[in-house]
Formats: sequence, C-alpha cells, structure tokens
Amino acid sequence: GAGVSQSPRYKVAKRGQDVALRCDPISGHVSLFWYQQALGQGPEFLTYFQNEAQLDKSGLPSDRFFAERPEGSVSTLKIQRTQQEDSAVYLCASSSDPLNDNEQFFGPGTRLTVL
Amino acid sequence: KNEVEQSPQNLTAQEGEFITINCSYSVGISALHWLQQHPGGGIVSLFMLSSGKKKHGRLIATINIQEKHSSLHITASHPRDSAVYICAVRWGGATNKLIFGTGTLLAVQP
Repeated sequence: GAGVSQSPRYKVAKRGQDVALRCDPISGHVSLFWYQQALGQGPEFLTYFQNEAQLDKSGLPSDRFFAERPEGSVSTLKIQRTQQEDSAVYLCASSSDPLNDNEQFFGPGTRLTVL
Repeated sequence: KNEVEQSPQNLTAQEGEFITINCSYSVGISALHWLQQHPGGGIVSLFMLSSGKKKHGRLIATINIQEKHSSLHITASHPRDSAVYICAVRWGGATNKLIFGTGTLLAVQP
C-alpha cells in the first residue's frame, strides 16, 4: 500500500473487554512503533519493533498491553480487560532504516473509547 | 517537567501573518521532527532536522543544538494551515523512539 494503514479506525469497547488493534506498515519498513495519544496530549511511546523483534516495550503502561509482529510486517496491539483510562488514539508508525535518522510515517490511528 | 516543551499551546492568527512556534528539549537527541496533525486526522511529517535550517514552501524550521531549541515558522499563513503542530525529538538511544511535545493548536482566521 501507499502508506501505513490501521484498523479499525474506531473501536468502542465495554470496560473489561479485550481489543486488538492492527497496523500494516509500509512494505519493507524494518522499524515499527506504537504510540498512545490521549485527548489533548502529544503521543507517547509504547513499544518498538525491528523486524519481528520487540526491542523496546518500556512504554507499555501495564501488563494488560501486549504487542506482536510475528512475521516482521503486520503488527497487532492487544489490550486485555480494557479500562476507561485506556481510551485514546493508538498510532502506528514505520520507518525504513533503524540505523539512520529516517522519517517515521504515521498511520491514521485507531480511536479507542472504553465505556 | 516534560522532556519536550512547546510554546505557545494555542495560537490564533489572522491570514497572512508570520507565525512562530517554539520547541525546547532537555534530552540528548539525534534528530528533531516537526509534525502536523489535523483534527481527526493522522500525523504528517513536515521536517526532520539535526542541524541548521530547512525550508519547504512557506514553512521554515530551524534548530540550535547547543541551546536545545527549535522553531517552526509559517510565512503568509492561510486558514488551511490550521492544525496542531507537534515537535518530537528522536531520543539518542538505541530505540529511535520519538518523544513528543504536547502540540500547538494553530487557528488561522480569514
């Protein structure tokens, strides 16, 4: 595809429900990032993949958050037992070369609302 | 204290005005990004810079590494420039993650 895509674009979940958010990065991009953006705030780093390896998960707020990228392309961010404070826009970004300062290309985000 | 601070948080300008948005950071970085986000829309990268100055159309970005400060300028502003402008620094560690400011909400009135 031409850019980073994410699905679903909008997700409403009841508190306690599990959700899965998908990111399709630009084909061939090695690096993949997940960010969380609360309303009125700048995005905050969640986790980073280089190919299939999750090299940094220091931003995941709790053990209810889990991310994977098993084949080094598509990634899924899973949130278990969602809480109201999980409501945010979840952004995925990819870049081509982890060894150099390259632009990160962002997807449109998934807006998660937990009721 | 946030590692990346932007000012102002909100800015209203009249069409045609020269606009400046400032960004200061406190961590070691390898690059600084200026990003644009429209309401309900995704994030678009405007500039990535590690030194000096870059220009693209009516947009100019500068960075002073010694002072840990960057500015984004918009010349001859237009209502279509209305958006949130976000400064993000590429942390100088192994992850290449971005640390974001909270954004500047710009409204350009006709």
